Amino acid sequence: DAGVIQSPRHEVTEMGQEVTLRCKPISGHNSLFWYRQTMMRGLELLIYFNNNVPIDDSGMPEDRFSAKMPNASFSTLKIQPSEPRDSAVYFCASSRGFGELFFGEGSRLTVL
Amino acid sequence: QKEVEQNSGPLSVPEGAIASLNCTYSDRGSQSFFWYRQYSGKSPELIMSIYSNGDKEDGRFTAQLNKASQYVSLLIRDSQPSDSATYLCAVMKGNNNDMRFGAGTRLTVKP
Repeated sequence: DAGVIQSPRHEVTEMGQEVTLRCKPISGHNSLFWYRQTMMRGLELLIYFNNNVPIDDSGMPEDRFSAKMPNASFSTLKIQPSEPRDSAVYFCASSRGFGELFFGEGSRLTVL
Repeated sequence: QKEVEQNSGPLSVPEGAIASLNCTYSDRGSQSFFWYRQYSGKSPELIMSIYSNGDKEDGRFTAQLNKASQYVSLLIRDSQPSDSATYLCAVMKGNNNDMRFGAGTRLTVKP
C-alpha cells in the first residue's frame, strides 16, 4: 500500500515567491495533518482536517499560510509570500483516528 | 507553558543499558498518549501508545502513564545502537484527533 505522498521533496525559492506543498493521504484515512519541523521549535501542528473539513488552524503562523483539502485524496499548503523564516521541513500525516499518524517523507523548504 | 514538554537531551547511554525518556503535558483532559521515533532525516513513526494509567510493555519498550502527575515516560531496555534516534512524545487533546508533539529527546546508544 502506498503511504502518504508529499511533493515536492525539496524546494528552494526566493523570498517573496509563492510556495505550494502537496499531500496525498493514505486511502481510507479520514484525518489529515500539516506539521512544520525546525530545530528550534520542534514539530508544530499547523492545521488539521477531519473528513476534509478544517478543524483547527490556530497553528497557522499568519495570513501568509493557507491550506485546503478539496477532496479526501488531496491537500495543499500554500505560503504566499514566502519568507526566510518559513524554511523548515513540512510534514503531512494522515490517520484513521485513534492517534496513529502516518507521516509522509516531508517537504524540505528553503527560502533564500 | 508548552503543551507537551520533553528534555531535549542529548541522552547518551551505553549499549545494553536502560534508556529513560520523560514527557509532561499541560492539558489535564488529554486521554491518549503516544511515543514516536524519528531517525535523522526521516519522518516520525509510531512505536507505542498508552491510554490508561500504569505500564504498557511491548518487547523492549515500556510506556508509563500517570495522569494525576500529567507525566508519560518511555523505557527502552537492552538499548541497541539502532535505537539511536529522536523520540517524540505526543498527546491527543480530546477526541477530535488534535495531536500535539513535544520537541523530542535525542537518544544516542554507544556501542
